[in-house]
Amino acid sequence: AQSVTQLGSHVSVSEGALVLLRCNYSSSVPPYLFWYVQYPNQGLQLLLKYTSAATLVKGINGFEAEFKKSETSFHLTKPSAHMSDAAEYFCAVRPGGYNKLIFGAGTRLAVHP
Amino acid sequence: EADIYQTPRYLVIGTGKKITLECSQTMGHDKMYWYQQDPGMELHLIHYSYGVNSTEKGDLSSESTVSRIRTEHFPLTLESARPSHTSQYLCASSEPAGTSNTEAFFGQGTRLTVV
Repeated sequence: AQSVTQLGSHVSVSEGALVLLRCNYSSSVPPYLFWYVQYPNQGLQLLLKYTSAATLVKGINGFEAEFKKSETSFHLTKPSAHMSDAAEYFCAVRPGGYNKLIFGAGTRLAVHP
Repeated sequence: EADIYQTPRYLVIGTGKKITLECSQTMGHDKMYWYQQDPGMELHLIHYSYGVNSTEKGDLSSESTVSRIRTEHFPLTLESARPSHTSQYLCASSEPAGTSNTEAFFGQGTRLTVV
């Protein structure tokens, strides 16, 4: 069965510090992987996606993620947090050939001065 | 930029009322989805459609129903709203599996409160 696990429901960092949000997946077929961001009372916005090209994927707002097949991971990073990065972040997997996205439980990122 | 729209954005309604949440997309996507999300919680798929006249139940049981008479339109209906239906409802669409664009595009959501 396909699933997504996000380690840490809440992450708090200082402004300017490294952001690391963890995501592990399970999939019986090569997956497509995604990170979405959700601001309060908004829908989800795509940050970046992995579609079996480069394993290091760059997204919007300075975020990037690395696909590691051996670790079944797709962690999201940003070198320097900004106050505007405070939001809910969702990792999602779409197994190849399937139409449905499977979401993780989300990680709420707080950025403090 | 995603072209998927949900109306209303916010709705407060009394118990027992019938409501329809609207979702429309102008991208010509075959696949459309409804997710339910409680505040600060994960998304649960409640309905999806692979095309006109195709609707399926999602992973989370829901008392709502959906219809897909036109490609661009995927409304969700609650025949008799209850306080337990209070939640945020997110609509999304995507291209078919196997295409180069694999992500789902989301609307802004409808926050429903049943009093």
